[in-house]
Amino acid sequence: AAGVIQSPRHLIKEKRETATLKCYPIPRHDTVYWYQQGPGQDPQFLISFYEKMQSDKGSIPDRFSAQQFSDYHSELNMSSLELGDSALYFCASSLGGTSGSGGETQYFGPGTRLLVL
Amino acid sequence: DQQVKQNSPSLSVQEGRISILNCDYTNSMFDYFLWYKKYPAEGPTFLISISSIKDKNEDGRFTVFLNKSAKHLSLHIVPSQPGDSAVYFCAASLAWGGSEKLVFGKGMKLTVNP
Repeated sequence: AAGVIQSPRHLIKEKRETATLKCYPIPRHDTVYWYQQGPGQDPQFLISFYEKMQSDKGSIPDRFSAQQFSDYHSELNMSSLELGDSALYFCASSLGGTSGSGGETQYFGPGTRLLVL
Repeated sequence: DQQVKQNSPSLSVQEGRISILNCDYTNSMFDYFLWYKKYPAEGPTFLISISSIKDKNEDGRFTVFLNKSAKHLSLHIVPSQPGDSAVYFCAASLAWGGSEKLVFGKGMKLTVNP
């Protein structure tokens, strides 16, 4: 079965550069979530989109922005990169979002490992 | 403040025996709980979930138990297999009327010895 696709898988950037991470959800999934996992940490929620609208926002820095496009893929744009942004970035998708249907399982992509030098 | 807690960082069991992974939560509004397995350099893989209206859900070798009054859930794997060796994350969400974002525990490394 098709899974969540993330690109690139690995990314090396210098401080103050920008980065764009892409996420392609499972077909027919309408909700996308972004999580950041630092070394030895649990994944932390950044932001989510349902039907191309932002549905929730977590601990996402102002330097980061994201959007969901008409084909439901999502991009996380990161500017003025800092050393502390080095982490694994996961995208997850689900069907139903905040529609109130309850309990929609999120399926995760393989992640993008970002290293900021 | 860690709303989902996995207090044991690691567990080692013998192949064929039962593995019991525990998870506690503090937010009584959580109503949907999930377990994910994660291998190095891969994303979390969904294992099993349970809604707060249930106290048990079983899927093959995996069973999740929920004790709402104690705000505690556990994952039982029986029989354990070496391929089960991975980091296991407990996660919770506000499925009804909430954002459905997942709040994760810090994970627990399970090692199943042949």
